[in-house]
Amino acid sequence: NFMLTQPHSVSESPGKTVTISCTGSSGSIASNYVQWYQQRPGSAPTTVIYEDNQRPSGVPDRFSGSIDSSSNSASLSISGLKTEDEADYYCQSYDNSNLWVFGGGTKLTVL
Amino acid sequence: QVQMVESGGGLVKPGGSLRLSCAASGFTFSDYYMIWIRQAPGKGLEWVSHISSSGTTKYYADSVKGRFTISRDNAKKSLYLQMNGLRVEDTAVYYCARKPGYWGQGTLVTVSS
Repeated sequence: NFMLTQPHSVSESPGKTVTISCTGSSGSIASNYVQWYQQRPGSAPTTVIYEDNQRPSGVPDRFSGSIDSSSNSASLSISGLKTEDEADYYCQSYDNSNLWVFGGGTKLTVL
Repeated sequence: QVQMVESGGGLVKPGGSLRLSCAASGFTFSDYYMIWIRQAPGKGLEWVSHISSSGTTKYYADSVKGRFTISRDNAKKSLYLQMNGLRVEDTAVYYCARKPGYWGQGTLVTVSS
């Protein structure tokens, strides 16, 4: 079964840049699009990146997504960190049957 | 704009049943496959079920196979999840979702005696 692995937690200071990785267990992560979701406590997930590197309207350009085929990983970068960015972040892609697969989530602390 | 609104959650005893609904608007519902995702308290996101745009192809997570049934009514722009034989571990917020990354706000299902 295809799996996505994320670090359990990351932390960084306000104003800095943080990168969250999402590594595919097999095949090529570049073969299927990756989405990234932000979830604040008590709220539903919201999309911050879709189709590897596209930002929905309303998402600031401090958020960016990329794919690194050499490491079979996707990454979410957040620059100019703000305290409001503190949340859980989930990556999501698809398996060979086009079924959704989620990473385990990364807790971002902005301290 | 794309919108999905779930309903039907609530408190149910183990072994009981619930039917969740998801009302979609703002897009051509019949063009898209739809999915259910859940999130248990304090846990991550779990894909639950998938239904093709026509409703003919369905997939289920092993954890719900044989107990849950996904369906849709394209004329009513609605998605459903019939949940039978509910277990305590089915307690979660249930979300309907559509590619690429559109989600509803979720409905809470609590299974407890």
